Amino acid sequence: IAGITQAPTSQILAAGRRMTLRCTQDMRHNAMYWYRQDLGLGLRLIHYSNTAGTTGKGEVPDGYSVSRANTDDFPLTLASAVPSQTSVYFCASSDTRTGVYNEQFFGPGTRLTVL
Amino acid sequence: QQPVQSPQAVILREGEDAVINCSSSKALYSVHWYRQKHGEAPVFLMILLKGGEQKGHEKISASFNEKKQQSSLYLTASQLSYSGTYFCGTEIRMNYGGSQGNLIFGKGTKLSVKP
Repeated sequence: IAGITQAPTSQILAAGRRMTLRCTQDMRHNAMYWYRQDLGLGLRLIHYSNTAGTTGKGEVPDGYSVSRANTDDFPLTLASAVPSQTSVYFCASSDTRTGVYNEQFFGPGTRLTVL
Repeated sequence: QQPVQSPQAVILREGEDAVINCSSSKALYSVHWYRQKHGEAPVFLMILLKGGEQKGHEKISASFNEKKQQSSLYLTASQLSYSGTYFCGTEIRMNYGGSQGNLIFGKGTKLSVKP
């Protein structure tokens, strides 16, 4: 059982380049999330999706886009990377259909450096 | 909207107890607690709902004061394995009583347990 996988594990990227971070889950969770984690700032929500075909903006969405074509995949795209997007990116998923206990399961993260 | 965690850091000896607090300025639907070890993904510990329901780790306890919008995580008889950064995540309660749906995380509390 893999849970949530993310790719790549790490990446160094030149400013201005386009980059897609991949996230796949095999738990059939309806909701998926993208967070960035910066030292001293905790986890900040970038975008989320409550079900396939729908997405929403989180706290820090600027410069990022997402899509949710199916239940399992939730890629995050940086259209034109900037150094301030250097961070560790975590994908997470949860089953919110019960509306009660909706703990989130996190992927292993992608460490992105934009030069 | 970001919840405030205290203390920012704590150092314990094995067997000592610790309390980590999480306070929000918003009415809360639930509070989640996660632990993150260095270089790893956050891992779910506990969720506390309004009304007193909770689900989580057997060896960790927590409280949720809905009126004060505060939660506390109690770590008793700490073990070396408890070391890590603890995050609370809060779900904002909407006027109709339901959840906003997403988590807003605090900046974390770094716990170090020494032999």
